[in-house]
Amino acid sequence: EDKVVQSPLSLVVHEGDTVTLNCSYEVTNFRSLLWYKQEKKAPTFLFMLTSSGIEKKSGRLSSILDKKELFSILNITTTQTGDSAVYLCAASTNNDMRFGAGTRLTVKP
Amino acid sequence: EAQVTQNPRYLITVTGKKLTVTCSQNMNHEYMSWYRQDPGLGLRQIYYSMNVEVTDKGDVPEGYKVSRKEKRNFPLILESPSPNQTSLYFCASSSGQGAMPQHFGDGTRLSIL
Repeated sequence: EDKVVQSPLSLVVHEGDTVTLNCSYEVTNFRSLLWYKQEKKAPTFLFMLTSSGIEKKSGRLSSILDKKELFSILNITTTQTGDSAVYLCAASTNNDMRFGAGTRLTVKP
Repeated sequence: EAQVTQNPRYLITVTGKKLTVTCSQNMNHEYMSWYRQDPGLGLRQIYYSMNVEVTDKGDVPEGYKVSRKEKRNFPLILESPSPNQTSLYFCASSSGQGAMPQHFGDGTRLSIL
């Protein structure tokens, strides 16, 4: 059965800390791994990873995919209170997208 | 502005009363999808559509129907809602197939009493 597992489920840090969020997947016909940030409303797209070992960066956020070990990580450096959100990873196939349960990140001042 | 629009945003209704949640996108996307989000379970796909008149079941299709008569619209129909369908629902769309990043609507919170 296809599944996507994120860890930790919840994380509380202080501003300035660095965090690493994990996502492992077992999906038939895997095509890509996507990360989304969800604050109060709709998830917003962060990264899409298709190839192993190639880091994608956007400001303080970065992500990498390991297709051999079937996992991805999302790093956030020098966290800010505005980074507080639920971070979702999703594994896409030819037809659909399977999401993990999400990691709730809380950044305290 | 590129967007996915869902209506209504909030609805409280009673068991058995048919309801429809509309979804419309203005990006000419082929792929559209419905998800429900429940605490601890993340987003679970209900139905998806690869193009007009092409729909398929996701992980949790029971109790739901969809139609795709036009490219821009993908309504979600609950013929006989039950309390276990109380949830937050998201519509999403993307270009091409499901592997592309999806644009999400702002969500519809349904409460079935």
